[in-house]
Amino acid sequence: SQTIHQWPATLVQPVGSPLSLECTVEGTSNPNLYWYRQAAGRGLQLLFYSVGIGQISSEVPQNLSASRPQDRQFILSSKKLLLSDSGFYLCAWSTGANQPQHFGDGTRLSIL
Amino acid sequence: DQQVKQNSPSLSVQEGRISILNCDYTNSMFDYFLWYKKYPAEGPTFLISISSIKDKNEDGRFTVFLNKSAKHLSLHIVPSQPGDSAVYFCAALVGSGGGADGLTFGKGTHLIIQP
Repeated sequence: SQTIHQWPATLVQPVGSPLSLECTVEGTSNPNLYWYRQAAGRGLQLLFYSVGIGQISSEVPQNLSASRPQDRQFILSSKKLLLSDSGFYLCAWSTGANQPQHFGDGTRLSIL
Repeated sequence: DQQVKQNSPSLSVQEGRISILNCDYTNSMFDYFLWYKKYPAEGPTFLISISSIKDKNEDGRFTVFLNKSAKHLSLHIVPSQPGDSAVYFCAALVGSGGGADGLTFGKGTHLIIQP
């Protein structure tokens, strides 16, 4: 069966520090991968998606970037975190368009 | 502009009765709709979906109804059980064919099942 792993579960970082969140999927090949964020009082918002290695599409301009160095690995990064980057970050995968997306357990990021 | 709206932040239902969660959308390009369930400190779990070519999809205690003319969908849970207490998110997708568009989510409805 397919599983998705995200780490860390919680993270506290100072303003201006770098960020790296990692997501890996097991049990499937060539998945579509997604990064979402839920800010306080708001719904889930798509940040990035990827249909293959090295292919990244960004949905909203922001202080973050994403990379897909391997088929089942998706990384969310920032060079310098802002206070507004605080939130709950979720990684998801699917087998393709018009298919359910399956989520990891998320990372709670707090910026001080 | 919120394209997917869940107007009830919370809903309380007695155990054994039917729970009905509602969702409205504004984007007529959406053609695939999903419901997710979320417990605290966990990611959303996929429950059930429906394509725009259908008006009903059933899976066990869960049934999703789609009214395209009203741009409205609902999730029915019957009978409701204590373990159903969670936040439920409605989500929608534009199936543009070959793309990997992300889901557009509502803000969720907190369902509380009373014993």
